[in-house]
Amino acid sequence: DTAVSQTPKYLVTQMGNDKSIKCEQNLGHDTMYWYKQDSKKFLKIMFSYNNKELIINETVPNRFSPKSPDKAHLNLHINSLELGDSAVYFCASSQSGANEAFFGQGTRLTVV
Amino acid sequence: AQSVAQPEDQVNVAEGNPLTVKCTYSVSGNPYLFWYVQYPNRGLQFLLKYITGDNLVKGSYGFEAEFNKSQTSFHLKKPSALVSDSALYFCAVREGSWGKLQFGAGTQVVVTP
Repeated sequence: DTAVSQTPKYLVTQMGNDKSIKCEQNLGHDTMYWYKQDSKKFLKIMFSYNNKELIINETVPNRFSPKSPDKAHLNLHINSLELGDSAVYFCASSQSGANEAFFGQGTRLTVV
Repeated sequence: AQSVAQPEDQVNVAEGNPLTVKCTYSVSGNPYLFWYVQYPNRGLQFLLKYITGDNLVKGSYGFEAEFNKSQTSFHLKKPSALVSDSALYFCAVREGSWGKLQFGAGTQVVVTP
């Protein structure tokens, strides 16, 4: 079983559309994250949830809205997609404290 | 504010030679330090971490890293590189238990036969 799974793996969509990326972890972790990796491979944290509560919210356009229905899931909804949103989005999870994060395989979003 | 720097965009090494990937950090409190590796079109894989204790940390695939508090560094090392070690390596730092996990810009490692 995949520890952190994201769907879809690839997403191609037109500007202005609304799309969602889903993430699930089966590790029993209490903290989940969304990261954005740009074309230069730079990784930037977007959001972090601990026990379904938002604890980190970086400077991200409010078109991006995370939702955590339970500790095992953290979804990312993006409204009014723009060309600059094209990137690879990674979901990750960790057990709170000083522990390492486990990453999903990523969702490559292409906005055309 | 915390930060992490990887001064080399790319490291080239011949197979069998030692590999070092550099990382320096800046935090105001105790640093929690991590190394990850990313293969093409894949997610990040955890290699090793330093939380406390021995300054030399051993991790997966024969990698190790040395924490140096005075130089605020956490360099990744492997005594004998393999062609299969060619990948993108990220250093990351978390300030305290609840700080965000912040990544360096990454270092591309190229191991030639």
